[in-house]
Amino acid sequence: QKEVEQDPGPLSVPEGAIVSLNCTYSNSAFQYFMWYRQYSRKGPELLMYTYSSGNKEDGRFTAQVDKSSKYISLFIRDSQPSDSATYLCAIRNTGGFKTIFGAGTRLFVKA
Amino acid sequence: GAGVSQSPSNKVTEKGKDVELRCDPISGHTALYWYRQSLGQGLEFLIYFQGNSAPDKSGLPSDRFSAERTGGSVSTLTIQRTQQEDSAVYLCASSLGPVEGDGANVLTFGAGSRLTVL
Repeated sequence: QKEVEQDPGPLSVPEGAIVSLNCTYSNSAFQYFMWYRQYSRKGPELLMYTYSSGNKEDGRFTAQVDKSSKYISLFIRDSQPSDSATYLCAIRNTGGFKTIFGAGTRLFVKA
Repeated sequence: GAGVSQSPSNKVTEKGKDVELRCDPISGHTALYWYRQSLGQGLEFLIYFQGNSAPDKSGLPSDRFSAERTGGSVSTLTIQRTQQEDSAVYLCASSLGPVEGDGANVLTFGAGSRLTVL
């Protein structure tokens, strides 16, 4: 079993839609949860960062962590064509150095 | 520098040849990572350097892969006797280091080196 599972998509939505991206993880020891965005031919860049459980909001983006079910989500409101990219969830232990990434979900937002 | 710099951006080589990929991390970042990204796969951890400590090589897939970091800055990933399954994008990332706290250890990635083995 992989430590983090993510549906690779692709996911295609119309402009203005609410997008929901999700990952599951296997080890309850993970405390740091991140979402990275990767445009074509670029390296991933950090989008959202959450410690432990709860929600975190930044503009049109909301990150949600449910530690009881080992489930993390990223919601994008009012999606734009510029949001078209691959979104990778990532997890890390407290005190650990290794960040473990999901496979990434390819998102297409159609104008 | 302003960001993580990687070279070459693209490398095409023949099976059996050796290749070297270079990473120049952000100035002041003590931690450096190499990941591999294959088509449809997530980022696969390869190796981690932290300051002057011995690197964690637990992700290197075979003894054909090696990496070094000189002077706590520039790193080189070497793949010997390349195979077609080595074709991937090799990503380097750096971070401030292992200090805990909000924002700590956030990885900043380079654009990657795309390796194609014919």
